[in-house]
Amino acid sequence: EVQLVESGGGLVQPGGSLKLSCAASGFTFSAYAMHWVRQAPGKGLDYISAIGSTGGDTYYANSVKGRFTISRDNSKNTLFLQMDGLRPEDMAVYYCARGFPNMARGINFDYWGQGILVTVS
Amino acid sequence: QSALTQPASVSGSLGQSITLSCTGTNTDVGGYNYVSWFQQHPGRAPKVLIYDVTDRPSGVSHRFSGSKSGNTAFLTISGLQAEDEADYYCSSYSTTSTLDWVFGGGTRLTVL
Repeated sequence: EVQLVESGGGLVQPGGSLKLSCAASGFTFSAYAMHWVRQAPGKGLDYISAIGSTGGDTYYANSVKGRFTISRDNSKNTLFLQMDGLRPEDMAVYYCARGFPNMARGINFDYWGQGILVTVS
Repeated sequence: QSALTQPASVSGSLGQSITLSCTGTNTDVGGYNYVSWFQQHPGRAPKVLIYDVTDRPSGVSHRFSGSKSGNTAFLTISGLQAEDEADYYCSSYSTTSTLDWVFGGGTRLTVL
């Protein structure tokens, strides 16, 4: 069974930093791209970052570029999101989601974690 | 402001069929057959219902179907059930996004 479990959220002051983790199991983690999607309270989905299966390719929304860093450790089946310079508007539930498999047909965003709350105040 | 436009809310009666829309441009919805739909219940993670415009992942009810016309994609839910009350989001491959994929703002479906 595919599972994605986020951790590392919590309360941080504006300007502070936080590092989210997403532990993956039930599939060959190193074969899949991965995403971070956030959702502010009462708002819609906000797609903020993606990383290729090897970690060599990273992508960011303009709203987080230069402040957030996505990375992965394929030996530990874990995805990360380092968040620096946090702003009140970054407050949201952060989800990790599975992307396309490498060199194979698949479904983008087919599995999601339960989400982790980041509060900036 | 979301890249894809969805009505903020729709409502339908139990047993009725309802269609949700998702409007983009020829650089996303209209240009490629890579539209997905997600269902999200309050406090839960999104769940993919439709991918590649019309395909359903295994385990998703046949009451959900997808289609596209020009720059607008549609999600049709037939035989509305109380459990269908949720938020629905569309997503599409996009050539103008730094992330290659964009999302709609979501539609809140109320089942009467």
